[in-house]
Amino acid sequence: GAVVSQHPSWVICKSGTSVKIECRSLDFQATTMFWYRQFPKQSLMLMATSNEGSKATYEQGVEKDKFLINHASLTLSTLTVTSAHPEDSSFYICSALPDRAGELFFGEGSRLTVL
Amino acid sequence: DAKTTQPNSMESNEEEPVHLPCNHSTISGTDYIHWYRQLPSQGPEYVIHGLTSNVNNRMASLAIAEDRKSSTLILHRATLRDAAVYYCILRGPAGGGNKLTFGTGTQLKVEL
Repeated sequence: GAVVSQHPSWVICKSGTSVKIECRSLDFQATTMFWYRQFPKQSLMLMATSNEGSKATYEQGVEKDKFLINHASLTLSTLTVTSAHPEDSSFYICSALPDRAGELFFGEGSRLTVL
Repeated sequence: DAKTTQPNSMESNEEEPVHLPCNHSTISGTDYIHWYRQLPSQGPEYVIHGLTSNVNNRMASLAIAEDRKSSTLILHRATLRDAAVYYCILRGPAGGGNKLTFGTGTQLKVEL
C-alpha cells in the first residue's frame, strides 16, 4: 500500500525554539495533506489542510502564525512549530490522499517534547 | 460534519469474533463510512470503508444498516495485534469532505 513517512519520529527541544516536522508521500503524489495533533489519551484533532502550491487551511482555533505549513511539492509538506512552549508538546501526525475518494494514508507520527 | 457515536471500550478474547458498533443517525446520502484503527504511538491505519452495501477485505468486514444510520465493523478472529483504538468516521464526497474528523473511538482490548 501507499506509504507516508514523517521525520523526525521524535524530537526534544528547548522552550522558545522552532521545530520542523516533515511529511513525505513516498510512492504517490499528494496535492492535499492533513496535519493532526494528538494529546495523551485523546483523539486526533485536525489542525490544518495543506494544499500544494497554495496556502494551508487552518481549523478554527489553530494559530497559523504558530504552526507554519509549507507544501512546496507534491510529495512533501512541512509543519514548523514556532517558538515552541511546553504546552505544544504532543504527537503530530500527517496524512496524505492519493486519490479523492479513497483511503487516507497516515504517517508514523512525530512526538514533540518541549522542555 | 455528521457525528458518530461509539462505545468507549470493548473487550474480546483471542480467536473470537468482535463486533464494533457505530451509530451515525445524521449521516447524509453522500457520506462514506470509514473505519481506521490506531495502535499505541502510531499513526492511524485504514481498515475499511463503504457507502451502502456490506464490504469485506482481508482485515475486516463492514456491515451497514439498511437505513445507514448505523454500521458494525467485524473482526472475524481477533488477535492480540488487533488491540487498538477503532475510529468510525463519516467522510463526504470529494473537495472539502476529504478531511477526516476523528471522534473518541472504541478502545478494543484483546485477551488470551
